[in-house]
Amino acid sequence: SQQGEEDPQALSIQEGENATMNCSYKTSINNLQWYRQNSGRGLVHLILIRSNEREKHSGRLRVTLDTSKKSSSLLITASRAADTASYFCATDEVAAGNKLTFGGGTRVLVKP
Amino acid sequence: DGGITQSPKYLFRKEGQNVTLSCEQNLNHDAMYWYRQDPGQGLRLIYYSQIVNDFQKGDIAEGYSVSREKKESFPLTVTSAQKNPTAFYLCASSTKILSGPRTRYNEQFFGPGTRLTVL
Repeated sequence: SQQGEEDPQALSIQEGENATMNCSYKTSINNLQWYRQNSGRGLVHLILIRSNEREKHSGRLRVTLDTSKKSSSLLITASRAADTASYFCATDEVAAGNKLTFGGGTRVLVKP
Repeated sequence: DGGITQSPKYLFRKEGQNVTLSCEQNLNHDAMYWYRQDPGQGLRLIYYSQIVNDFQKGDIAEGYSVSREKKESFPLTVTSAQKNPTAFYLCASSTKILSGPRTRYNEQFFGPGTRLTVL
């Protein structure tokens, strides 16, 4: 399977609830990045977390990284209908030579 | 107004024709990338370039070609050798940072994409 597999593949929540999605990877990384994609659009960078960091915050977003388990999580707190999108993790692998490997994404639907 | 642009937004091609997708950035970024995205899937890397006049194959380069004659431009040609070209194509760019003896790159900025349909 791919480096950077997201779980779950799809998530449906009510506005105001928190959304959590996970990403697992297989090889050593320099950093892990989370991106958001609205339907039919390009991706927008959300957060980059380096391999020596364990947690990072940006507004309502919280990202954790556990390199021992080769996993990361993205938490969106107090979700809004506008958070409806697909979320992708991407890994900058040590051996990959400055290119990112994307997972299949988590499709999040926030119902008003 | 800085950014990364792709054109056209929609492109239709007859089987057997080559088509070229445009990607331009005025962010002065060193690296540029081309990805393919199929419905409900993640992104797969086609080609990338870290410096002018140099580029490397990604994971699915067969049936595609690129050039990097200028820092701001990285056009992608989908050739007739690409058997299943219908997809959403995304271009991205990033800046270079130095980290000790190794060069690393920052997060990627994406264009709006080109949707290619083969008729």
